[in-house]
Amino acid sequence: DSGVTQTPKHLITATGQRVTLRCSPRSGDLSVYWYQQSLDQGLQFLIQYYNGEERAKGNILERFSAQQFPDLHSELNLSSLELGDSALYFCASSPGLNTGELFFGEGSRLTVL
Amino acid sequence: GENVEQHPSTLSVQEGDSAVIKCTYSDSASNYFPWYKQELGKGPQLIIDIRSNVGEKKDQRIAVTLNKTAKHFSLHITETQPEDSAVYFCAASSDSGYALNFGKGTSLLVTP
Repeated sequence: DSGVTQTPKHLITATGQRVTLRCSPRSGDLSVYWYQQSLDQGLQFLIQYYNGEERAKGNILERFSAQQFPDLHSELNLSSLELGDSALYFCASSPGLNTGELFFGEGSRLTVL
Repeated sequence: GENVEQHPSTLSVQEGDSAVIKCTYSDSASNYFPWYKQELGKGPQLIIDIRSNVGEKKDQRIAVTLNKTAKHFSLHITETQPEDSAVYFCAASSDSGYALNFGKGTSLLVTP
């Protein structure tokens, strides 16, 4: 158990809809990262937050947004969903801002029909 | 940004044999190179990492080598066991703060 909690574990929705994925980092970790894992693209970095502020952006679509709240949990919002958004979405956390071990949750599997 | 290439995408070995997975990276500023193992239904988990001031690091049956000049690094697993079967990801990042960029993964199958 990494200590990172993600909900929901599974989510099925329709195209055009909006969903919110939630992540609680390990106790004491200030950085939260979101990654998308699809079969052909591996682990794609989406966005990083540190202590409530956005720190780095990867290949995140404009239809996607995220935030980190004062209690350090984070939410990833996916809107106007398309079939191609079906993937596993991982949240990871780390103690600080710079490089080091990331602790991954078990992921939220999103299926868009 | 950083681009990490990983080969092979699939690897099948017999129990007891060695397995080698290779990665290349593009950004010369990268100085941190971890390897993650992902078992079915789980999130990736760090198994070993290396920083650019070190050429090789070992941890029991696992070793990682780094060639900064050539911008490549490799994972070596010796005396493979069926429980080593998983997807392995390499990654790279730098202290400038950008997040880990992962390779596309290698699915390793160890057959008894």
